[in-house]
Amino acid sequence: DTGVSQDPRHKITKRGQNVTFRCDPISEHNRLYWYRQTLGQGPEFLTYFQNEAQLEKSRLLSDRFSAERPKGSFSTLEIQRTEQGDSAMYLCASSLNSRPRTDTQYFGPGTRLTVL
Amino acid sequence: AQKITQTQPGMFVQEKEAVTLDCTYDTSDQSYGLFWYKQPSSGEMIFLIYQGSYDEQNATEGRYSLNFQKARKSANLVISASQLGDSAMYFCAMREGYNQGGKLIFGQGTELSVKP
Repeated sequence: DTGVSQDPRHKITKRGQNVTFRCDPISEHNRLYWYRQTLGQGPEFLTYFQNEAQLEKSRLLSDRFSAERPKGSFSTLEIQRTEQGDSAMYLCASSLNSRPRTDTQYFGPGTRLTVL
Repeated sequence: AQKITQTQPGMFVQEKEAVTLDCTYDTSDQSYGLFWYKQPSSGEMIFLIYQGSYDEQNATEGRYSLNFQKARKSANLVISASQLGDSAMYFCAMREGYNQGGKLIFGQGTELSVKP
């Protein structure tokens, strides 16, 4: 039973470049979440999918950020025209809505982005 | 608005002793879920324990238990018989709604150090 995987694990880019991250959820999970975590803080919610539908986006998610989950399986998060303030750990999580359990979110190892 | 407060930036505990990590929350919803996650230095968020707002008994998972005091809006994590491998950041999180999907709101975390 494989967990959530993310690729790449580390990304260094120059300001103004575009970057794309990939998340593969646990295989039977229908919900997928993206969070961002800066140093010394807890994760902050970015966006959430149920199957292929994007159900919620944070106001933190500027127009430079876009996320997709085209076939309800893996997801991509793209950041256009990166800024130094985008430097953070980007975490992906997945969950399965199954009663009576808790819809617990299981996290991947994260992608650490550094914008120079 | 939802808010999670963890007032202990750092805690020390002697190996084999028990430790309590504090978490208070604020929500106007009657239905919500509370979670604790562990984040070792490797960065991955590891799910530890869940408490639903309507659960009458405090949750337990092995050496982890959750001291849920609904009237005080607190959900403290108790780790019994601390081990060196318990040294990590610990995050309390809340999701509004019961047994349904949705974003997690995280606290700022507590860094636990276990001394041999």
